[in-house]
Amino acid sequence: NAGVTQTPKFQVLKTGQSMTLQCAQDMNHNSMYWYRQDPGMGLRLIYYSASEGTTDKGEVPNGYNVSRLNKREFSLRLESAAPSQTSVYFCASRDEKGDGYTFGSGTRLTVV
Amino acid sequence: QKEVEQNSGPLSVPEGAIASLNCTYSDRGSQSFFWYRQYSGKSPELIMSIYSNGDKEDGRFTAQLNKASQYVSLLIRDSQPSDSATYLCAVSESGSARQLTFGSGTQLTVLP
Repeated sequence: NAGVTQTPKFQVLKTGQSMTLQCAQDMNHNSMYWYRQDPGMGLRLIYYSASEGTTDKGEVPNGYNVSRLNKREFSLRLESAAPSQTSVYFCASRDEKGDGYTFGSGTRLTVV
Repeated sequence: QKEVEQNSGPLSVPEGAIASLNCTYSDRGSQSFFWYRQYSGKSPELIMSIYSNGDKEDGRFTAQLNKASQYVSLLIRDSQPSDSATYLCAVSESGSARQLTFGSGTQLTVLP
């Protein structure tokens, strides 16, 4: 099915461990985004990529890095996980013809 | 910092009633406005978009935009228990990436 695919769906990390969240879309969208969602705080933008080869910081970039590997894939890396990074992470992409996002199913990350 | 504020709720309405969800935004340069629905444990899904002042209707949903007052609302007519979810207001910035800023969401419960 066409859409945005995120892996993994669940992950538990120990403080200080690193990991990469993967995201891929097959809709030929230029723009891709990473958000985190915490209870009562809505979705906050971590990083985004307006096109292949470009990335920019969002509202809460500290502790994260991203890579726009190609037009399809946009990964999010936690170099040294902290308990404050416990959250649900959503990847999204945007159709150039409109403004609506398509979201992936999310990654539930717990850092202990 | 750009802000999007929603009535925090939770909001409960009886089945068949009209549910009214409200949102204000701080950036007068905002171009596009969206309502997303998010069921518990799921990713957000786009239900309405609105770009110009006035009302936009789609089935049981009506979005209302007043740019002078920096206010956007969503009305759900003939509310159904299946409408029980968190509703997220989102505002798009101008620019090539047109990243969205989300409100914290309003939890709606429709009582049978």
